[in-house]
Amino acid sequence: QSALTQPASVSGSPGQSITISCTGTSNDVGGYNFVSWYQQHPGKAPKLMIFDVANRPSGVSNRFSGSKSGYTASLTISGLQAEDEGHYYCSSYSSISTSYVVFGGGTKLTVL
Amino acid sequence: EVQLVESGGVVVQPGGSLRLSCAASGFTFDGYTMHWVRQAPGKGLEWVSLISWNGGSIYYADSVKGRCDISRDNSKNSLYLHMISLRTEDTALYYCARGPEGQLAGPFDHWGQGTLVTVSS
Repeated sequence: QSALTQPASVSGSPGQSITISCTGTSNDVGGYNFVSWYQQHPGKAPKLMIFDVANRPSGVSNRFSGSKSGYTASLTISGLQAEDEGHYYCSSYSSISTSYVVFGGGTKLTVL
Repeated sequence: EVQLVESGGVVVQPGGSLRLSCAASGFTFDGYTMHWVRQAPGKGLEWVSLISWNGGSIYYADSVKGRCDISRDNSKNSLYLHMISLRTEDTALYYCARGPEGQLAGPFDHWGQGTLVTVSS
């Protein structure tokens, strides 16, 4: 069982917007702004899409945005495109001494 | 261009040991926290361990604590992971990932392509 909770799957049609949630606790998502989101295509390494809750690395489309409310962080993808299909993982710093970084279980995004 | 290239993945029997390496280039290696992250076949990402830029801070996931030793050689721009008492559940693709500069908490902004460890009798 992953430390952060994500929906197993989401789907949307091209052009639509979708949101993926990532729920944690006060020890991680709720207590710190070190939330990141990663995109992974089959057979490829993960790619950083959002860091520190809402910041986009250089080169990442502005169709990707992040936010946080309480213990839940969210990744929103607007104007869905076929190439957005893949798995998305959230991660957070964790203040529990036994683990420093925690990941969500991942969400499979299907573009219909 | 930042590059991370892992090596050392093998097929090993349960109870065996191995050492993974990650060769870094394209950035000032000794300024960055480095991580190992693994992914079992068909499963999600699991953080394994981190080491600070100077080796002064080290953390491990509970699942590998006591069986893993992370280290780095800044003179060789290299990161290592030594694992002992391997279990079948350690079977995974092991990624080397770059953390933030000069701090421990923060995103993994570059990843290698991974090296496959298979634990099987």
